[in-house]
Amino acid sequence: QKEVEQDPGPLSVPEGAIVSLNCTYSNSAFQYFMWYRQYSRKGPELLMYTYSSGNKEDGRFTAQVDKSSKYISLFIRDSQPSDSATYLCAMSPSNDYKLSFGAGTTVTVRA
Amino acid sequence: GAGVSQSPSNKVTEKGKDVELRCDPISGHTALYWYRQRLGQGLEFLIYFQGNSAPDKSGLPSDRFSAERTGESVSTLTIQRTQQEDSAVYLCASSESSGDYEQYFGPGTRLTVT
Repeated sequence: QKEVEQDPGPLSVPEGAIVSLNCTYSNSAFQYFMWYRQYSRKGPELLMYTYSSGNKEDGRFTAQVDKSSKYISLFIRDSQPSDSATYLCAMSPSNDYKLSFGAGTTVTVRA
Repeated sequence: GAGVSQSPSNKVTEKGKDVELRCDPISGHTALYWYRQRLGQGLEFLIYFQGNSAPDKSGLPSDRFSAERTGESVSTLTIQRTQQEDSAVYLCASSESSGDYEQYFGPGTRLTVT
């Protein structure tokens, strides 16, 4: 079993729809949870991070962490074609630099 | 300012040859990381450098892989006697300090071993 599981998709939605992405994990030591966005042929860029459990909102993006279920989510509201990318979840224990990544979910937003 | 740069962007090599990949981190970033991204898989941690401390090589998959970094500047990842399973995108990232979750990634080097 992988330490971080993420459905690879692909996910195709019409413009304006809500995109829902999620990851599950097995390591209860994880405290920092991140979402990266990766455009084709580019390196990942940090989109959002959350420490421990709870919700965090940034514009059209909302990240949720449920440590009791070992489950994290990213929601994209009012999706745009420019949101078409691969979204990677990543996580690490506190004060640890080694990020454990999910495989990434490829999202296409159709105009 | 300039981001993390990597060279070459693409490399095709024959099985058994050695390859060297280069990473230029963001100026002032003391921490540098190498990851491998295989098709359909998550990023795998390979190695971590922090200033002049001994690097954490725990993610290197075999002794054919090695990496160097001079001070807080350029790093090179060397793969000796390449195998087809080494084909992947090799990503470099840097961050301001150790334990900093905010890592900035370069565009990667796409390595194909034929």
